[in-house]
Amino acid sequence: AQSVTQLDSQVPVFEEAPVELRCNYSSSVSVYLFWYVQYPNQGLQLLLKYLSGSTLVKGINGFEAEFNKSQTSFHLRKPSVHISDTAEYFCVTGGTSYGKLTFGQGTILTVHP
Amino acid sequence: DVKVTQSSRYLVKRTGEKVFLECVQDMDHENMFWYRQDPGLGLRLIYFSYDVKMKEKGDIPEGYSVSREKKERFSLILESASTNQTSMYLCASSLTGGRGEKLFFGSGTQLSVL
Repeated sequence: AQSVTQLDSQVPVFEEAPVELRCNYSSSVSVYLFWYVQYPNQGLQLLLKYLSGSTLVKGINGFEAEFNKSQTSFHLRKPSVHISDTAEYFCVTGGTSYGKLTFGQGTILTVHP
Repeated sequence: DVKVTQSSRYLVKRTGEKVFLECVQDMDHENMFWYRQDPGLGLRLIYFSYDVKMKEKGDIPEGYSVSREKKERFSLILESASTNQTSMYLCASSLTGGRGEKLFFGSGTQLSVL
């Protein structure tokens, strides 16, 4: 079975600081990994995804993630955050059967001025 | 842009009531999903449908049923609402369910069962 674990439930950070949101995965089959973001009072939207190939994946709004097979990790990073990045971020795996996804517990990123 | 519309943003019901949550997508997607979102638990799949009148259980189907009579509409039914079903419910759709395909989400329905 596939699963993901997000290591931090909340991450507070000051504006313009770098941020890393941590995610570990476990899977016995080929891994498809995603990060989704949920802004306040909105639905989720795709930030980026890893299917195969280059282990560094770039997404929208300046975010990127690195697939690390030896450490079974898929951490999300941004070099300089903005107030508007305040949201809940979900590490997600799956997509092999009818597009079903398995979500992590979520990390609430709060950017302070 | 794909639009996934959930009929209610907030809903308050009494214990034992039958509750219908409606979801409509406008892009002819084959797959539709119902998730519930609870703090600290992320999103958990309740049911999904890969075609009209076809459905499969997700990870937490107990206490729920679904209906998909038309391709664009996917309904979640709580036969007899209970307080532990108070949650945020999110509907999503995808085109074909292919590898790595993204899901499009509605804005959610916050259901409170009193």
